[in-house]
Amino acid sequence: GAVVSQHPSWVICKSGTSVKIECRSLDFQATTMFWYRQFPKQSLMLMATSNEGSKATYEQGVEKDKFLINHASLTLSTLTVTSAHPEDSSFYICSARARGAGELFFGEGSRLTVL
Amino acid sequence: DAKTTQPTSMDCAEGRAANLPCNHSTISGNEYVYWYRQIHSQGPQYIIHGLKNNETNEMASLIITEDRKSSTLILPHATLRDTAVYYCIVRVATAAGNKLTFGGGTRVLVKP
Repeated sequence: GAVVSQHPSWVICKSGTSVKIECRSLDFQATTMFWYRQFPKQSLMLMATSNEGSKATYEQGVEKDKFLINHASLTLSTLTVTSAHPEDSSFYICSARARGAGELFFGEGSRLTVL
Repeated sequence: DAKTTQPTSMDCAEGRAANLPCNHSTISGNEYVYWYRQIHSQGPQYIIHGLKNNETNEMASLIITEDRKSSTLILPHATLRDTAVYYCIVRVATAAGNKLTFGGGTRVLVKP
């Protein structure tokens, strides 16, 4: 299947700092990318949908000014957690869909720990 | 997208077939059934999907009932590496959106 890569795999930061997570589709062009968040022992919660070249669509309850999403190219989307706090500590996962394809492919996830 | 209901957890023996049920009684005619699994601390992995007919690939088989209100994912010979949370999702495969909404899934433990 298609490959989606996330970087970094894990990151530890101090409270108040901002963290950027990258999501890349390595062997296909991703017209749409999705960002999920997963807390321990819970299911994945969709945060936002990002289409290349346009603003992201955020799910209800997700602060767009806190979780900045950029999808500037067909192979890269970034999620920036601004002014991170301990409650933002979570497993962040992206997924991507190729043009005209049905299934979504997921990245390996990025574990964020805010101290 | 239609809601799905799966058992919270199940155990199965290594080498035996694992049958994972999923109820989706409110599925509409243009919604597909997708299965993904998530091994601990990894991103979800696509397994299989189908609309009406039964499907099989190198990982699993998907059996969809005639009324499409339920389906079963079959892992023919479970291995210890199949221990994971399995998610059954129904969604419309349209050009716009195409987002996946995850439920609780079934936590499958394959035992030696």
